[in-house]
Amino acid sequence: GAGVSQTPSNKVTEKGKYVELRCDPISGHTALYWYRQSLGQGPEFLIYFQGTGAADDSGLPNDRFFAVRPEGSVSTLKIQRTERGDSAVYLCASSPTGKGTGELFFGEGSRLTVL
Amino acid sequence: AQKITQTQPGMFVQEKEAVTLDCTYDTSDQSYGLFWYKQPSSGEMIFLIYQGSYDEQNATEGRYSLNFQKARKSANLVISASQLGDSAMYFCAMREGWNTDKLIFGTGTRLQVFP
Repeated sequence: GAGVSQTPSNKVTEKGKYVELRCDPISGHTALYWYRQSLGQGPEFLIYFQGTGAADDSGLPNDRFFAVRPEGSVSTLKIQRTERGDSAVYLCASSPTGKGTGELFFGEGSRLTVL
Repeated sequence: AQKITQTQPGMFVQEKEAVTLDCTYDTSDQSYGLFWYKQPSSGEMIFLIYQGSYDEQNATEGRYSLNFQKARKSANLVISASQLGDSAMYFCAMREGWNTDKLIFGTGTRLQVFP
């Protein structure tokens, strides 16, 4: 597709379960970003990839959160032992080079609800 | 540390009038970029306008203009001739440095346009 694609669009899970959220960036974009947006807040940076490697993971809240991008395209955000406080919209974005050349292009997000 | 502040949780404007959404920022870097994004109820983040810290003229994109006052560290968004479709959340964001696309966001302003 032409834009950033995120799946699932909605995910409801129970406390303690494992969750995976997928992001398919714009074709050719080398940089990929994950943000978390809680209700009534701005997007909060989690992690970004330059190619296959995590260039900056300073925003991951704890070791229950992990993300991969094994082939430098699709990325998966993994959350272990989910907690109610993890409920939020998880936004993925990509940019052509990640080198300050332009804006981020966002997907529509994955809404995670932890019961 | 870099920070974006949006002090207006909500704004109302009548259709066809102009409105200014406030944004102040804090950074110790000399090279940075400022962005505005629109987030309608669908959730997608839509890029509106960009201002580089070394740009001498205020950025404009159609009905959007950015009132950049570097000494005051402010980057207010001006929307002229408001339309009902402008009703949305608006986020100010900053890219710190020249070699990254990572953005830090403010808490947003909800704009409501009424007939």
